[in-house]
Amino acid sequence: QSVLTQPPSVSAAPGQKVTISCSGSSSNIGNNYVSWYQQLPGTAPKLLIYDNNKRPSGIPDRFSGSKSGTSATLGITGLQTGDEADYYCGTWDSSLSASFGGGTKLTVL
Amino acid sequence: QVQLQESGPGLVKPSQTLSLTCTVSGGSISSGDYYWSWIRQPPGKGLEWIGYIYYSGSTYYNPSLKSRVTISVDTSKNQFSLKLSSVTAADTAVYYCARVRGAFDIWGQGTMVTVSS
Repeated sequence: QSVLTQPPSVSAAPGQKVTISCSGSSSNIGNNYVSWYQQLPGTAPKLLIYDNNKRPSGIPDRFSGSKSGTSATLGITGLQTGDEADYYCGTWDSSLSASFGGGTKLTVL
Repeated sequence: QVQLQESGPGLVKPSQTLSLTCTVSGGSISSGDYYWSWIRQPPGKGLEWIGYIYYSGSTYYNPSLKSRVTISVDTSKNQFSLKLSSVTAADTAVYYCARVRGAFDIWGQGTMVTVSS
């Protein structure tokens, strides 16, 4: 049972926009930065968003992040078939422990 | 370009100790700018943080695994290691090492460890 709650799956058509939510509490998301990871089938996770809304070098601006209170959201615009993957949110808590969401499977129809 | 590579046995017997090493290349583990972490992913399931270490040897562990986990660092070899004792089938997973500074920004490719007799 993950401390952070994500929808198990989301889907949208190519070219459309999708959002993935991540819900936590005041002890984790509410007082810490959120990061997002993309895991393509059979590969290691890759950092997409850090510090709630920053993109590492090389990550296209189709990917965006936001945080409000104890929830965070990953947005993906201009969906491509190559975006089909599992997406995970992550954060920290007051005891310096890391937590990940349960993951969301994105299907591009 | 910093790269991380996990290594260790792919098969461990129940009740024994799982031992893995992560070798860091392209950068120094002693730079002090990062923590170094282990994460695992059981087949078909999500990510579980195991713990992390600073180059000085300071460690932080997942409370649910703390009694069985030891993470150590060897700065001379630019490596850090994971030991997980008293393993069961529930510890079967892909084990990843990763670099941490707020977020887990660089990951190893992962290594599958199966616990079976």
